[in-house]
Amino acid sequence: DAGITQSPRHKVTETGTPVTLRCHQTENHRYMYWYRQDPGHGLRLIHYSYGVKDTDKGEVSDGYSVSRSKTEDFLLTLESATSSQTSVYFCAISESQEPFRGAFFGQGTRLTVV
Amino acid sequence: AQKITQTQPGMFVQEKEAVTLDCTYDTSDPSYGLFWYKQPSSGEMIFLIYQGSYDQQNATEGRYSLNFQKARKSANLVISASQLGDSAMYFCAMRELQGGNQFYFGTGTSLTVIP
Repeated sequence: DAGITQSPRHKVTETGTPVTLRCHQTENHRYMYWYRQDPGHGLRLIHYSYGVKDTDKGEVSDGYSVSRSKTEDFLLTLESATSSQTSVYFCAISESQEPFRGAFFGQGTRLTVV
Repeated sequence: AQKITQTQPGMFVQEKEAVTLDCTYDTSDPSYGLFWYKQPSSGEMIFLIYQGSYDQQNATEGRYSLNFQKARKSANLVISASQLGDSAMYFCAMRELQGGNQFYFGTGTSLTVIP
């Protein structure tokens, strides 16, 4: 199994508070991704990173920011959590940019905003 | 336009029978990869199988095979001899060489294996 750890695994937070989710990998993979999973939508990309300090937005990036100061860590921050951000968040990693390389996922973080 | 389309929200199959989960994709990039993931009720995403756009043969991994029809832009997952443990959500995904390195996912198919 790919060494990907997400923390926390579960979190309940109040509307308006900042929240940071952490993804840690031990595979030294260059590419890291944050997805959210919602019923009827599959997985949608929030942000991704192609190297230390190199990040880009996905299709649902509003309200989220990311940082990657080390190869192994990719942080997702909800600046001011809203109920629409209640979701399951997955981190994924990929070794290279070749399209034939798959992504491996962390176990997910279930976030509830009340 | 949707990059990945899975038109079957839910499927049922009898134990030991084969089942096909549909996936169509949309890309103009000649270099791409297609992937299937399984998500059991426990929630983790498990990589099952992949097909490269230049592969001449359909990919197989144990009981899983990918029916790749390039001209029709379809990449259906075939599970042979279904088992109760195959009950899960299944996601089709695509990655393009030119696509900014992201993976595009379909909305998933929920498969239930009936004893």
